Amino acid sequence: GAVVSQHPSRVICKSGTSVKIECRSLDFQATTMFWYRQFPKKSLMLMATSNEGSKATYEQGVEKDKFLINHASLTLSTLTVTSAHPEDSSFYICSARDAAASGSTGELFFGEGSRLTVL
Amino acid sequence: SQQGEEDPQALSIQEGENATMNCSYKTSINNLQWYRQNSGRGLVHLILIRSNEREKHSGRLRVTLDTSKKSSSLLITASRAADTASYFCATLNQAGTALIFGKGTTLSVSS
Repeated sequence: GAVVSQHPSRVICKSGTSVKIECRSLDFQATTMFWYRQFPKKSLMLMATSNEGSKATYEQGVEKDKFLINHASLTLSTLTVTSAHPEDSSFYICSARDAAASGSTGELFFGEGSRLTVL
Repeated sequence: SQQGEEDPQALSIQEGENATMNCSYKTSINNLQWYRQNSGRGLVHLILIRSNEREKHSGRLRVTLDTSKKSSSLLITASRAADTASYFCATLNQAGTALIFGKGTTLSVSS
């Protein structure tokens, strides 16, 4: 199956710093990638839809200036948590759809997630 | 906001037993998907059932869909310790652009 690589898997940073998380589709092109946030023992909350070459579409309640998303190529999307605070500590997961294989209703391929801890 | 609601939230069974998880959703759908997540990992797609299907099988997995009740169930037969994970149902959002996940069922299978 298609592989999505997410990096880093774990990151610890000081409050006030910015952290960048990368999401790469390794063997397919992804015009659309998705960023989710997951709290402990909770479900995934969609943060934003990342579209290659255009601005991301953010879900209601997600701060655009806080969570910067860039999707500069068909295989890479990045999420930057700016001026991170302890409440931003969470598990962030990216996913991508192989549009060529599965169409708009098909399965998503997920990265392994990035655990962010803000001290 | 979340579309699906899984039931039960947690399920503990012995190896060899069957595990049934239910999912209810709110809006009309084109398809419903089930995913599995091992602790601290990403999600893995298990099965997709379309709105015009009532039942689908994949190995030890059996998924049913009742669009009149807006509900789906995932049955894992002859469970194994390796089936221990969280299971989520997911449907497309109203815009049809992204998957929205339910709260999930945490399954623990004891050997």
